[in-house]
Amino acid sequence: KAGVTQTPRYLIKTRGQQVTLSCSPISGHRSVSWYQQTPGQGLQFLFEYFSETQRNKGNFPGRFSGRQFSNSRSEMNVSTLELGDSALYLCASSGLDPNIAHGYTFGSGTRLTVV
Amino acid sequence: TQLLEQSPQFLSIQEGENLTVYCNSSSVFSSLQWYRQEPGEGPVLLVTVVTGGEVKKLKRLTFQFGDARKDSSLHITAAQPGDTGLYLCAGRDSSYKLIFGSGTRLLVRP
Repeated sequence: KAGVTQTPRYLIKTRGQQVTLSCSPISGHRSVSWYQQTPGQGLQFLFEYFSETQRNKGNFPGRFSGRQFSNSRSEMNVSTLELGDSALYLCASSGLDPNIAHGYTFGSGTRLTVV
Repeated sequence: TQLLEQSPQFLSIQEGENLTVYCNSSSVFSSLQWYRQEPGEGPVLLVTVVTGGEVKKLKRLTFQFGDARKDSSLHITAAQPGDTGLYLCAGRDSSYKLIFGSGTRLLVRP
């Protein structure tokens, strides 16, 4: 079965612009999580959605937002981009409730560069 | 805030050597996971450990969850160049967020 698909793979944006990243989870998976990965901070949790509801949110400013659609596809949006938002944004999906111990399947990520 | 600390941060070894990577916390985790990430790709789940004292083996990789469920280790026997990558431990905190350790970057030289 197809894995987690993230689009686009690479993106270059200018400071002040906004960006929308997309994630299609594995078919049948209802849980989608987003992470920001940078060399200095590692993998930082952004948010987690389950059946269209945000179940958890990390410590990121309000410029970072997300949503999940009825088909489980998810998008995250970053407004008023800053240079420090340059990172690899990873999406992960799971077929189980986030409250149950299990592992995630990650996509290959979207590499965002803000200039 | 629950944190996961990994050590060492970097490890460069010769093919055939053994190594151990550690993942430690002052907090109790209900479960811990180990992932491996290669450049340009997302992390890939290797194992999930749930029970204190649990040991799981995956070919040449042995994972152990501490009795108190505050720490875990990954031991690789006879490392191969294909084991090169970033090894990450992850655990669910008290609010069920999956948080990651800072990672151990392993280089296995042929």
